[in-house]
Amino acid sequence: AQSVSQHNHHVILSEAASLELGCNYSYGGTVNLFWYVQYPGQHLQLLLKYFSGDPLVKGIKGFEAEFIKSKFSFNLRKPSVQWSDTAEYFCAVRNNNDMRFGAGTRLTVKP
Amino acid sequence: NAGVTQTPKFRVLKTGQSMTLLCAQDMNHEYMYWYRQDPGMGLRLIHYSVGEGTTAKGEVPDGYNVSRLKKQNFLLGLESAAPSQTSVYFCASSYLSGRGGYTFGSGTRLTVV
Repeated sequence: AQSVSQHNHHVILSEAASLELGCNYSYGGTVNLFWYVQYPGQHLQLLLKYFSGDPLVKGIKGFEAEFIKSKFSFNLRKPSVQWSDTAEYFCAVRNNNDMRFGAGTRLTVKP
Repeated sequence: NAGVTQTPKFRVLKTGQSMTLLCAQDMNHEYMYWYRQDPGMGLRLIHYSVGEGTTAKGEVPDGYNVSRLKKQNFLLGLESAAPSQTSVYFCASSYLSGRGGYTFGSGTRLTVV
């Protein structure tokens, strides 16, 4: 079965710092890749997704992610975080009907 | 648009009690899913459905049953609740291809005492 690893459990940054959250998966076939965000007390919302084509994907709120097939990675980035980015971020990998989520990375942005 | 609606939002059960969580979507999605979210473990798939009248087991199906009698509804049942089922439960739905990602409901926080 495929699995998803998120390297950081909790990241603390100051406003305007750059962000990179790691995500690796363990499936060799064709996969669809996603990043979701969960703001405190809310449900998961889709940030961005990759299916094919340009491996650099741009999402909402200035987030982007790069798919590196050779490394089985799909890292999330943002050049300058804001206090409002404080949330939990989940990487997900989908193959057919099977969507697996990473354990999540909690991001705290200090004002 | 309502999207995905879950009821109830909160519930406290005693060990051994039963309950049903309801998920309703108004987007005509073919696929529906039930996940549980536990600290440090992300989301784990309990059961899913690829269409009306069909269901399948996910990663952690034990202790749960599901039914999808109508395309827009997906019910999750706990026949005999256990403290290990204390969790936040999320329902999600998607189109057949899954290309749009999943749309999640707002969750049900269940505590079993």
